[in-house]
Amino acid sequence: SQQGEEDPQALSIQEGENATMNCSYKTSINNLQWYRQNSGRGLVHLILIRSNEREKHSGRLRVTLDTSKKSSSLLITASRAADTASYFCATPPGGAQKLVFGQGTRLTINP
Amino acid sequence: DTAVSQTPKYLVTQMGNDKSIKCEQNLGHDTMYWYKQDSKKFLKIMFSYNNKELIINETVPNRFSPKSPDKAHLNLHINSLELGDSAVYFCASSQEAAIQETQYFGPGTRLLVL
Repeated sequence: SQQGEEDPQALSIQEGENATMNCSYKTSINNLQWYRQNSGRGLVHLILIRSNEREKHSGRLRVTLDTSKKSSSLLITASRAADTASYFCATPPGGAQKLVFGQGTRLTINP
Repeated sequence: DTAVSQTPKYLVTQMGNDKSIKCEQNLGHDTMYWYKQDSKKFLKIMFSYNNKELIINETVPNRFSPKSPDKAHLNLHINSLELGDSAVYFCASSQEAAIQETQYFGPGTRLLVL
């Protein structure tokens, strides 16, 4: 079964609004990463948050991590049409030397 | 000046054929990966190589054989292609095999088996 699962599977909002995506995972982790995938492209790394961090910012992105609930959220503020993409969380389950990806949240920003 | 490149971008072939996908990274990274993304966007690791040595093999059928001639290249050869092999295959690289490393992905190879 999957390590990470994103919620919702799809999200459609108006430009300028904030978008929040959630990720839940099953086993203990060292870190959690978020990636973006534009249609027909490869994944691009957005942000990494370590297990001893609770919140991290990068530009319009804000990531939180709650290890007690085994969940993370990605907030994109003041969304733009260019933010339309799929967003994936990825974790190394139980210290394994690999990343396991969820199925992603498909975000659509409407102009 | 593409960091991680893959060829070909598209591959359409008949069931039973053998095909190869090539990957190259110019980032000087030690570790390279192959992932398979299915039609539901589920991305699953297949193989990982560190300095030309196989370190992860995720119970992939032995019809799939990765080859790393040097640490900048990781190719994927697929024998006796099946319909279920249709997917997008991504190559990625990272500085080291450590789990906190950022991975850099190629643009993907879209394989369609008819």
